[in-house]
Amino acid sequence: AAGVIQSPRHLIKEKRETATLKCYPIPRHDTVYWYQQGPGQDPQFLISFYEKMQSDKGSIPDRFSAQQFSDYHSELNMSSLELGDSALYFCASSFWGLSGNTIYFGEGSWLTVV
Amino acid sequence: QQQVKQSPQSLIVQKGGISIINCAYENTAFDYFPWYQQFPGKGPALLIAIRPDVSEKKEGRFTISFNKSAKQFSLHIMDSQPGDSATYFCAASILSTGANNLFFGTGTRLTVIP
Repeated sequence: AAGVIQSPRHLIKEKRETATLKCYPIPRHDTVYWYQQGPGQDPQFLISFYEKMQSDKGSIPDRFSAQQFSDYHSELNMSSLELGDSALYFCASSFWGLSGNTIYFGEGSWLTVV
Repeated sequence: QQQVKQSPQSLIVQKGGISIINCAYENTAFDYFPWYQQFPGKGPALLIAIRPDVSEKKEGRFTISFNKSAKQFSLHIMDSQPGDSATYFCAASILSTGANNLFFGTGTRLTVIP
């Protein structure tokens, strides 16, 4: 079965640079989520989109922005990168149905800021 | 502020034993409680989930027990196997608002000794 696809899988950037992560949700899923997971930490919710509109916002820094495009893929843009932004970034997707809303995670994108 | 508290932080169990992980929450609006399993370098994968209208749900060797009045829920892994060694996260969300972003517990690193 198709899963959530994230790219790139690994990314190394220098401080103050910009990074863009891409996410391709499971086909027919209508909601995309972004999470950040620091080493040894639990995933922290950043932002979500439902049908290409921002649906909820969590602890996303102002330096970060995200959007969902007409083909439902999403991009997380991170500017003025800081060392503390080094983390595993997960995209997840879900589909609202009568049985609930199971959220499926991608494999993650490792961002290292040096 | 951690919306979902999880314990223990780490757990070592002999093969064939029972692994028990506990979670507690404060927000009574939460109405969906999933458990995720995460292997190193991988995305969290949904293991089992429960809604507050039932007190227990069992799927294979995995059982969720839910105590609505105490605002607690737990994961029991019966006949634990070395392949179960992973980090387990409980989570909670509010399906009724449509946002459904997950609030994760801090995770439990389970090691099953052969």
